[in-house]
This record gives sequence, C-alpha cells and structure tokens, in this order.
Amino acid sequence: DQQVKQNSPSLSVQEGRISILNCDYTNSMFDYFLWYKKYPAEGPTFLISISSIKDKNEDGRFTVFLNKSAKHLSLHIVPSQPGDSAVYFCAAKETSGSRLTFGEGTQLTVNP
Amino acid sequence: GAGVSQTPSNKVTEKGKYVELRCDPISGHTALYWYRQSLGQGPEFLIYFQGTGAADDSGLPNDRFFAVRPEGSVSTLKIQRTERGDSAVYLCASSPSIVHEQYFGPGTRLTVT
Repeated sequence: DQQVKQNSPSLSVQEGRISILNCDYTNSMFDYFLWYKKYPAEGPTFLISISSIKDKNEDGRFTVFLNKSAKHLSLHIVPSQPGDSAVYFCAAKETSGSRLTFGEGTQLTVNP
Repeated sequence: GAGVSQTPSNKVTEKGKYVELRCDPISGHTALYWYRQSLGQGPEFLIYFQGTGAADDSGLPNDRFFAVRPEGSVSTLKIQRTERGDSAVYLCASSPSIVHEQYFGPGTRLTVT
C-alpha cells in the first residue's frame, strides 16, 4: 500500500508565482516529514523538513505546512524560479524508525 | 566537504550475473541507507546500517540481495543471479544519526539485459 502519496505527477507555474506541491499520508505513526528535490542524473537533495509538533516551517523561499488531522502536507515555493524546475519528493519517517517512505514525486516546471 | 559517492555510476550486466555496488558515505556519518528507485517511482527503502551492523534489512526484496559495511564506513550492495526486474537506480544515503535528514549520493543505474 502507498503510505505517502503525491497525487499530482506534474505542475507548471510561471516564474515569480507561487508553487504549491501537495502530499498525503496514511500512516499515523509518521511524525517527521521531509521534502527532497531531484535533478536528472543526481541523487535527491534535502530541502526542508517539519516535525509533527509543528504546523509550519519556513526556510527562505520554501515553506512546509503540516495538517495532522488531514494527514496532509504541502510545500510552498515563492517566488518560483526556473532553477526550481525538478522532481520534488515528499518523504515521511516514524520516530522509532530509520527508513524514509517516499511519495511518487511531482515534476515542477517553472516557466520564464 | 565531500558528499556521498557511489560507484559505478552505470552498470550493465546480463541476467544471471552477480553485481556489486559501492557506497562511500560522508565522513563521520554513522548511519547508512540503501534505496532503490524504479522509473516514475519514489525511492524505496532496502536496508539501514548503524555502524557495521545491519539494523534493519526488512526492505531487501529477497535473498539474492545482500549488503555489508565491514568497517562502519564504505558499504557494498551485492546482488546475485540478477534478473531484469532488478533494473533500477540504486541510491545510497548517509546521516549523522537516524534523527537527522539523509544525504543521498548520485546513485548507480543498474541495467540487467
């Protein structure tokens, strides 16, 4: 079963506008969430994370929101830049565990 | 400093052959992970090492897959009797501990013909 889902395989936005990437999870034991960015032929690069004790974490242009009751998180990028074009993966982890469970990824394209 | 490195970057092998994939973690990172990523999917967990021991190998798909980390640094993922379904990108990651984010290498693209 897919415990972490990213329902949008792709997203296209205009440079300077906001990009919103969404992620849903089903496992109630997940309490730490991460976003990774991946360029072709490279490994995933850590972007930002959030613990379940928070509902928002911000780092520069990137903000992650967590809605525990809805088991939903989102990544906001504002303003979007062409260099942000990549595949974005949502991942989740249990406190007691070590493994990351990933979603399928969303291809973000930021058009100049 | 240097990131996680993986060799080879690409490996093409025939069905039934044995392959070894190598991972050099970030210096000082005690936790090391292997994941496998198939086309259009997110990475899937295979195995996790804390130091020299495999703390969690529940993601290994079957007994053809094995991994070692004899000195607590470099790790090797070994696949016996390769099958076409083993074709994927094999990713290695390391972290200072399990509570920290994981840092990934560029991966090894394995193609079984």
